[in-house]
Amino acid sequence: DADVTQTPRNRITKTGKRIMLECSQTKGHDRMYWYRQDPGLGLQLIYYSFDVKDINKGEISDGYSVSRQAQAKFSLSLESAIPNQTALYFCATSDARPPYGYTFGSGTRLTVV
Amino acid sequence: QKEVEQDPGPLSVPEGAIVSLNCTYSNSAFQYFMWYRQYSRKGPELLMYTYSSGNKEDGRFTAQVDKSSKYISLFIRDSQPSDSATYLCATGGSQGNLIFGKGTKLSVKP
Repeated sequence: DADVTQTPRNRITKTGKRIMLECSQTKGHDRMYWYRQDPGLGLQLIYYSFDVKDINKGEISDGYSVSRQAQAKFSLSLESAIPNQTALYFCATSDARPPYGYTFGSGTRLTVV
Repeated sequence: QKEVEQDPGPLSVPEGAIVSLNCTYSNSAFQYFMWYRQYSRKGPELLMYTYSSGNKEDGRFTAQVDKSSKYISLFIRDSQPSDSATYLCATGGSQGNLIFGKGTKLSVKP
C-alpha cells in the first residue's frame, strides 16, 4: 500500500456541487497538508494540520474546508465547486522533526464543469 | 518578491548532458533545502535534502546551497531519459512548513 492514499484519483463534478477529497497516510506522522497544483503556478498550500486538533489555513483557503478525522485521515471539501477549482490536488504528510521530508499522495485530478 | 523563485523552463537536453537546475530564495532564516522530482501524473518525491550551505552528492545528483547568495542548485550528471520530469526546489525554516518553487520541467532526449 502507498504511504499516502488519495481518493478519488479523478473526479468530474458540476458547478455548485459539494465534493470531498479524502486522504489517508500510513507514515504515522502528525502533520498533513493539502495542496493544489496548477500549470505555471506550482504547489499552493490550501490547509495544513500539525495534529488532530490543529488546523490552519494556507495561502488559498477560500472556498475550501478540511476535516482531520484522525491522525491518519485528512479530508478536503469544496462546499460549492466552481470551474476555477479545476486542478490537481495533492495531500502530503511530514515528520515534525527536520528534515521534514514531505511524502505526497498520487493526486486527485478534479474537473468542475 | 516571491519567497522562492524557480525558472519553469521547459529545459530540453540531449542524453548524457550535465543539467543545472536553480532556485533563489528570499528569507535568510531558511535552513532546510530540498529537491523534489515529479513525474507526469504523479506526486512529488523527495530527491535530495541539504541543511545549510554546502554540497551533497548522491550518485549522479549533486545538491548545492549557497546561503550567502540565497541560491540553490541541483546538478544532474550523465542525464538519462528517465530523468525527464519536473523538478521542484523547496526550502523552509524551523517550523517545518516548506515553500516550494514552481518547478522546472526537464526533458532528456535519447
